[in-house]
Amino acid sequence: DTAVSQTPKYLVTQMGNDKSIKCEQNLGHDTMYWYKQDSKKFLKIMFSYNNKELIINETVPNRFSPKSPDKAHLNLHINSLELGDSAVYFCASTAGPNTEAFFGQGTRLTVV
Amino acid sequence: AQSVTQLGSHVSVSEGALVLLRCNYSSSVPPYLFWYVQYPNQGLQLLLKYTTGATLVKGINGFEAEFKKSETSFHLTKPSAHMSDAAEYFCAVRTEHNKLIFGAGTRLAVHP
Repeated sequence: DTAVSQTPKYLVTQMGNDKSIKCEQNLGHDTMYWYKQDSKKFLKIMFSYNNKELIINETVPNRFSPKSPDKAHLNLHINSLELGDSAVYFCASTAGPNTEAFFGQGTRLTVV
Repeated sequence: AQSVTQLGSHVSVSEGALVLLRCNYSSSVPPYLFWYVQYPNQGLQLLLKYTTGATLVKGINGFEAEFKKSETSFHLTKPSAHMSDAAEYFCAVRTEHNKLIFGAGTRLAVHP
C-alpha cells in the first residue's frame, strides 16, 4: 500500500494549458503539503492544509490553486502554465508537529 | 525565523570511508530536525529525526546524527559508506507553524 500517492508521475504540456496533479494519503494524517523542487533540487513549500483548511500559502502565484475535498486528498490545479513552472512537485502529509512528513513519489512537470 | 544551512553541495567519499554531511539550523524555538534521503527520480525518505530526548539519534541504513544545541548543528554521519548510499541528502527543520524548511541538499557520491 502506497502511503502518499500522486498522479500523474510525469506530465508534459504546452505553455498556456491548465493541468491538475492529484494527491491522496491513506495514513489518516490531518496535514498535507505541496512542495516544489526546482532543477537545482531546492525544495520549497507551496501550500499546507490542515483538515481541509488552508494553513500556509507561500506567496505562490494565484495560477496555482490547491483544493482539498477531504483530509485525505490535496489536489493542485495550475492555470496558464509557464515555462518556469517546470519542476518536480511533491505532495506530503504529516500527523503532527513533532512527526515526520511522508512524501509522495513526485510529479515531474515539463512545460514546453 | 527558522532556516537550515547545509555546508557542501557535493561530497565525495570512497567506499568504506566515513560519511559526514553537515547541517546547521537556526530556530527561535526548540527545533524538530530531520534528515531525508532522495534517490534519483524518487520521493524523499526519512533517515532519522530529532524531536526531544537523546541527542544522538540513529536512523536507517546505518546513519546517525547528533543534535548539538550549542553549535546549532545536526550533522549526519555513517561510519562506512556503501555504493548504495549515493543520493541527495536533505536536512530539515520544522517551524512553529508546522512547516518543514529544507536545506539546499548535499549530493553524496561514493566511489570504489
